[in-house]
Amino acid sequence: GQSLEQPSEVTAVEGAIVQINCTYQTSGFYGLSWYQQHDGGAPTFLSYNALDGLEETGRFSSFLSRSDSYGYLLLQELQMKDSASYFCAVLNDYKLSFGAGTTVTVRA
Amino acid sequence: GAGVSQSPSNKVTEKGKDVELRCDPISGHTALYWYRQSLGQGLEFLIYFQGNSAPDKSGLPSDRFSAERTGGSVSTLTIQRTQQEDSAVYLCASSTGLAGNHEQYFGPGTRLTVT
Repeated sequence: GQSLEQPSEVTAVEGAIVQINCTYQTSGFYGLSWYQQHDGGAPTFLSYNALDGLEETGRFSSFLSRSDSYGYLLLQELQMKDSASYFCAVLNDYKLSFGAGTTVTVRA
Repeated sequence: GAGVSQSPSNKVTEKGKDVELRCDPISGHTALYWYRQSLGQGLEFLIYFQGNSAPDKSGLPSDRFSAERTGGSVSTLTIQRTQQEDSAVYLCASSTGLAGNHEQYFGPGTRLTVT
């Protein structure tokens, strides 16, 4: 089976940097995805790491360490529109198993 | 371009009634997924389709739940004899399959309320 742990809530001010950690236990591992979900909206894909290291996509970066079963999503230059839930998800072949999500609240 | 669509957007039903939820994936996407999300929770995997076949139904909570996909496109999730614990948002997602399964495109969901 799969289990993922990520913090439930993070609060930060505009312009700050937030790091959302994700640790996982899985019987099979292809990679780690990150999704963003605004309140009442659909999850949208942010980033994917199949190999160790950092992937950068604009203000967002994602990191993976396969040996540590650990990854993180880094949100830089926080904006109010970044207030949302963020989910890490382990890919096992065709299937994504999602964590419970981290609610990020950005304050002015 | 057209994304994943789902209907209805909201459904209120009485306990014991059957409901059908529909998903139209992105054209050409061979993989289709159904998830369930309860308020403030993560996404619970229900079923996976590759083409018209469902090699993984392991997430279906009970035999009251079933799903089918026809023409490699539209999918229907059916819940029979609904219970109050079935109340949740049901999300459908599609992907290109194979190497694209890490990037799933989600529909807006169907909010199901069982009274």
